[in-house]
Amino acid sequence: KAGVTQTPRYLIKTRGQQVTLSCSPISGHRSVSWYQQTPGQGLQFLFEYFSETQRNKGNFPGRFSGRQFSNSRSEMNVSTLELGDSALYLCASWSGRDRSGANVLTFGAGSRLTVL
Amino acid sequence: GDSVTQMEGPVTLSEEAFLTINCTYTATGYPSLFWYVQYPGEGLQLLLKATKADDKGSNKGFEATYRKETTSFHLEKGSVQVSDSAVYFCALRGYNQGGKLIFGQGTELSVKP
Repeated sequence: KAGVTQTPRYLIKTRGQQVTLSCSPISGHRSVSWYQQTPGQGLQFLFEYFSETQRNKGNFPGRFSGRQFSNSRSEMNVSTLELGDSALYLCASWSGRDRSGANVLTFGAGSRLTVL
Repeated sequence: GDSVTQMEGPVTLSEEAFLTINCTYTATGYPSLFWYVQYPGEGLQLLLKATKADDKGSNKGFEATYRKETTSFHLEKGSVQVSDSAVYFCALRGYNQGGKLIFGQGTELSVKP
């Protein structure tokens, strides 16, 4: 089956603009998580959505937001972009129902954002 | 809070050498542990996992054992290949934490012919 699809793969924005990134999870997966990857901070959890509700949230400012649609597709938005927002943004999906943690997250290829 | 610490890279090895990448963690309860690999320009791929103490995860010649007594999950491979050159991430997921993984800082591996 198809993997996790992220669009766009690359984009360039200027400071102060906003950006929206999209993620289509694996068919049947109801949970989508977002991560930011930078050389300095590494991989950091942004938030998780399950059945259109935010289920978990990382330690990022309110400029970072997300949502999930009824078909499980998710978008994340970053407003008032700063230079430090330049990063690879990764989306991951899983079934969403596993208290033991045995089910794994499958990651997309990422959206690389450059802020000038 | 929960955290993961990996040995710093880069690690440079010759082909067919033995690989160890150390990973230790701090967490309450019984987390699940993972190794992910990232090739240049790509996302993360799951390499192996372990969900309880003494579990051994293995895949493509790589192995790691969940050691609760030493809070470790070291990655090993007996004979590396040039194609193993990538960045390796150790990660944990706390109980009932769903899609939230805590990652180590990553270890870059370079294998020379």
